[in-house]
Amino acid sequence: NAGVMQNPRHLVRRRGQEARLRCSPMKGHSHVYWYRQLPEEGLKFMVYLQKENIIDESGMPKERFSAEFPKEGPSILRIQQVVRGDSAAYFCASSPARGRPAGELFFGEGSRLTVL
Amino acid sequence: AQSVTQLDSQVPVFEEAPVELRCNYSSSVSVYLFWYVQYPNQGLQLLLKYLSGSTLVESINGFEAEFNKSQTSFHLRKPSVHISDTAEYFCAVSDRSLRGNQGGKLIFGQGTELSVKP
Repeated sequence: NAGVMQNPRHLVRRRGQEARLRCSPMKGHSHVYWYRQLPEEGLKFMVYLQKENIIDESGMPKERFSAEFPKEGPSILRIQQVVRGDSAAYFCASSPARGRPAGELFFGEGSRLTVL
Repeated sequence: AQSVTQLDSQVPVFEEAPVELRCNYSSSVSVYLFWYVQYPNQGLQLLLKYLSGSTLVESINGFEAEFNKSQTSFHLRKPSVHISDTAEYFCAVSDRSLRGNQGGKLIFGQGTELSVKP
């Protein structure tokens, strides 16, 4: 009974490279959320996706960041031309289509991005 | 807009001592309230939640939190902590008016690191 799976757990990139973070939600879950945790800060909402749809991307930086959740395969958070300020832990969470109260999310263990 | 403040970044306590982790929130709308826990090298797990009804909510491992609307607080307490409670604890809110899974858009506090010593 796998939980939310994120990979890679740790990723090191040089400035200007691209980072791709993957998230496979729990079985039966069709809603995915991405959160970012900067050093010494709490988690900040980035984006909420359903299969093939971005529902709310109000927390995504306007440039260089994108997210997708295709019909098949994991959700991907993509950061182009990374800068040192992108160094953070990126958490993915999922919830089922129905049946859970608002806010009850299942989180992955996070992907820790370090930009050199 | 909402914001959440966890007043203590680190709380060291001895085993079997009581503990209180403080959480205050600010919001122009009604909110749901949550405590999540993150054990070392793991993802966040829901510890307890307040949606409606009794303002005192409890978890299965002895934690409780009380919603205080007048003080806009949702402090987490445990009368006697164990070494295994060592973790980071996050308080969070979501907007009640958000429909369905839009409620997964949570506003988190900065986290409180609880360290239980023998």
